[in-house]
Amino acid sequence: DQQVKQNSPSLSVQEGRISILNCDYTNSMFDYFLWYKKYPAEGPTFLISISSIKDKNEDGRFTVFLNKSAKHLSLHIVPSQPGDSAVYFCAASGLGSARQLTFGSGTQLTVLP
Amino acid sequence: NAGVMQNPRHLVRRRGQEARLRCSPVKGHSHVYWYRQLPEEGLKFMVYLQKENIIDESGMPKERFSAEFPKEGPSILRIQQVVRGDSAAYFCASSPSGDRGNSPLHFGNGTRLTVT
Repeated sequence: DQQVKQNSPSLSVQEGRISILNCDYTNSMFDYFLWYKKYPAEGPTFLISISSIKDKNEDGRFTVFLNKSAKHLSLHIVPSQPGDSAVYFCAASGLGSARQLTFGSGTQLTVLP
Repeated sequence: NAGVMQNPRHLVRRRGQEARLRCSPVKGHSHVYWYRQLPEEGLKFMVYLQKENIIDESGMPKERFSAEFPKEGPSILRIQQVVRGDSAAYFCASSPSGDRGNSPLHFGNGTRLTVT
């Protein structure tokens, strides 16, 4: 039972364009969402997060949007750079399980020069 | 400031052997979390420990797996009598408290266990 789903295993985008990565969740108890980036042979690196009381959070080139009614969040990267090529994981947690993150299966982003 | 340190980075074990994975948290952090990533999947929570206590082991397989975080020294994830299905990347994370707060979990670079 996948509570956090990333339905696109891969995405290719031209350098300078926008990358949009999507994530859906099923558990209504989730109230905190994070995006991690992972390079091969490294651990996940935290990118950006959003609380369920917000619908948007922005940090530099990265913006996360949350649509609670649709149980959907997305990560926008603009402009995309070749160094952004990595696997992106969406993760979620609920108040009762603070540090227990439930991860999606990841999306491999490739930014083409 | 050193981040979460895991060793070894790579570990090869034959079926039936024991695997010991070590995690040194960020200095001052007393909460440690272990996650496992199977090939082509996301990370899955295994266990949450505080110094000398297991807080939540709901993600741990019931048999062969154990974890500890002693008063002194690193946290250890121990897998007895390994099987091929244990082959995965094991990631450790640490935090200064169990509260979610404003600080996200930061992960180590993982130990890649291969069972032959």
